Amino acid sequence: EIVLTQSPTTTAASPGEKVTITCLASSSVSNMYWYQQKSGASPKLLIYSTSSLASGVPDRFSGSGSGTSYSLTINTMEAEDAATYYCQQWSSNPLTFGSGTKLEIK
Amino acid sequence: QVQLEESGPGLMQPSETLSLTCTVSGFSLTSNGVGWVRQPLGKGLVWMGTIWAGGSTNYNSAVQSRLSISRDTSKSQVFLKMNSLQPEDTGTYYCARHNWAYFDYWGQGVMVTVSS
Repeated sequence: EIVLTQSPTTTAASPGEKVTITCLASSSVSNMYWYQQKSGASPKLLIYSTSSLASGVPDRFSGSGSGTSYSLTINTMEAEDAATYYCQQWSSNPLTFGSGTKLEIK
Repeated sequence: QVQLEESGPGLMQPSETLSLTCTVSGFSLTSNGVGWVRQPLGKGLVWMGTIWAGGSTNYNSAVQSRLSISRDTSKSQVFLKMNSLQPEDTGTYYCARHNWAYFDYWGQGVMVTVSS
């Protein structure tokens, strides 16, 4: 099973600040996917195939990476971005998610 | 538009069999896969299994021996059945459209508590 380790576990950012969340895979994966989950809501797809923005997602979000290291960046933090973010892979079975990064607004 | 809605009992007893239904609209089960993802309270996401457009299934080996996913395409419904429930199966269960390697639409989730 490929284990995805996210860092940081928790972080806070001021409006306008740049935020980067990292996802390290225990083995090389071909692509990474990112989800946003706000409190009390279901997850929402943000990024697919490492760097493609899902429909309706603001362009302040971006994804990058390769091999075992991937990242999600929010270029300018907004209050509505406060949420928990998960990475996900399916280069090998089983499909796995990272443990999540909780992002708070300062 | 694409929608998924989970339904099922909220409270189960240990050793019972859980039955959940995911009713979809806005897409066809013969063209898209649907997966189930569990989220223990306050914890992360765990993929349980997926039924694909052709009717084949993939399961997470961690629950494979207890899990069955099936569907009724005429009713646009996907079913999850999991036996031998334990308290650690407590959590929110989501169904989601499984687009190749990721989930592009999610239901609102159904909370299941396993307790005696």
